[in-house]
Amino acid sequence: TQLLEQSPQFLSIQEGENLTVYCNSSSVFSSLQWYRQEPGEGPVLLVTVVTGGEVKKLKRLTFQFGDARKDSSLHITAAQPGDTGLYLCAVWGSNYQLIWGAGTKLIIKP
Amino acid sequence: EAQVTQNPRYLITVTGKKLTVTCSQNMNHEYMSWYRQDPGLGLRQIYYSMNVEVTDKGDVPEGYKVSRKEKRNFPLILESPSPNQTSLYFCASSSSGTAGYGYTFGSGTRLTVV
Repeated sequence: TQLLEQSPQFLSIQEGENLTVYCNSSSVFSSLQWYRQEPGEGPVLLVTVVTGGEVKKLKRLTFQFGDARKDSSLHITAAQPGDTGLYLCAVWGSNYQLIWGAGTKLIIKP
Repeated sequence: EAQVTQNPRYLITVTGKKLTVTCSQNMNHEYMSWYRQDPGLGLRQIYYSMNVEVTDKGDVPEGYKVSRKEKRNFPLILESPSPNQTSLYFCASSSSGTAGYGYTFGSGTRLTVV
């Protein structure tokens, strides 16, 4: 069983639509990170959320950390083809190693 | 520009021929790490380093070596590469390996061992 469950695993939508992807766990975390990775490239850190209930916005992307700090969501408004990629959530484990979710592969069709 | 630089970007080599993938960061980060990424398996950590002269095994360390003699450099060494080490490799660095800090990744090295 994965510590971080991401859903959906795959999402393909038309340009202009809205979408939400999720990162869930039964464990409590002090912070959580979201990354986006394009094929063949390294993941790029989008945001770190730290406080329960925190909402952070990055242009059309809205990140929320659950009140209990067990889950997080990423909402994209008016998706564009440039949003295409693999979205990964991650948390630091107790042994100084980052624990990764399996990712949501997002395709935005023009 | 703050960045993690990996070289080479692409490498094709033969089984058993020792190779080194270099990694350098210019952000004065304490924490550095190597990952490999394979289809269906996600990012798997090979080795990490909390600071100079401090390294530790990740989830898949077999067949790899690392060293951290300087803060900015963290090379990955394959003493005797085998075909099952064909993969996409990423170096990453962070201010700290603890909550609140994120990774900066390099652009990757695509290694093929024939």
